[in-house]
Amino acid sequence: DTEVTQTPKHLVMGMTNKKSLKCEQHMGHRAMYWYKQKAKKPPELMFVYSYEKLSINESVPSRFSPECPNSSLLNLHLHALQPEDSALYLCASSQTGQGTDTQYFGPGTRLTVL
Amino acid sequence: AQRVTQPEKLLSVFKGAPVELKCNYSYSGSPELFWYVQYSRQRLQLLLRHISRESIKGFTADLNKGETSFHLKKPFAQEEDSAMYYCALDTGRRALTFGSGTRLQVQP
Repeated sequence: DTEVTQTPKHLVMGMTNKKSLKCEQHMGHRAMYWYKQKAKKPPELMFVYSYEKLSINESVPSRFSPECPNSSLLNLHLHALQPEDSALYLCASSQTGQGTDTQYFGPGTRLTVL
Repeated sequence: AQRVTQPEKLLSVFKGAPVELKCNYSYSGSPELFWYVQYSRQRLQLLLRHISRESIKGFTADLNKGETSFHLKKPFAQEEDSAMYYCALDTGRRALTFGSGTRLQVQP
């Protein structure tokens, strides 16, 4: 399996809901990433996990809570989101998280917050 | 702070014409630079990276540290090259900083 998979593909939630986004890879990669991409904008890094430890948090609001239960799985827990959080959420993985690594992206989860 | 600039939002060329997508960066250290591409309805994927010094699908990019540029070039554009192209920079933090992207449109 040489792909990063993300579920769900689409998610609509209210501002009081709690939901989670899931990302999975079985390439043996030890670094995993969450990016946020607004319409017609480039991806913006949110979090980096390296060897299941959070190594970078780009000052993301606490209503976004990442979790890396094991080396293949990455979750993003969502609570009390705002309409401006509506975006495409991309997950990526890379072999070791070195700067020269290729990052492999999933197809994204399109989130709409009502 | 590091920054990546792609000055053109849209580049439209005819099939067979040369293509150059511009990318400039600001970073005082030794950056790792990448070009990522997103074809219609497909996921973002790596096209090439400067450290490999390779040609992928006829595209090449040379890192010019003096001009802090990493322009993407192809001598003869094909219709299947139409896509969104992002230049990206990693300063060793294991975090990519993307440029705003250039949409390449190759007309028949």
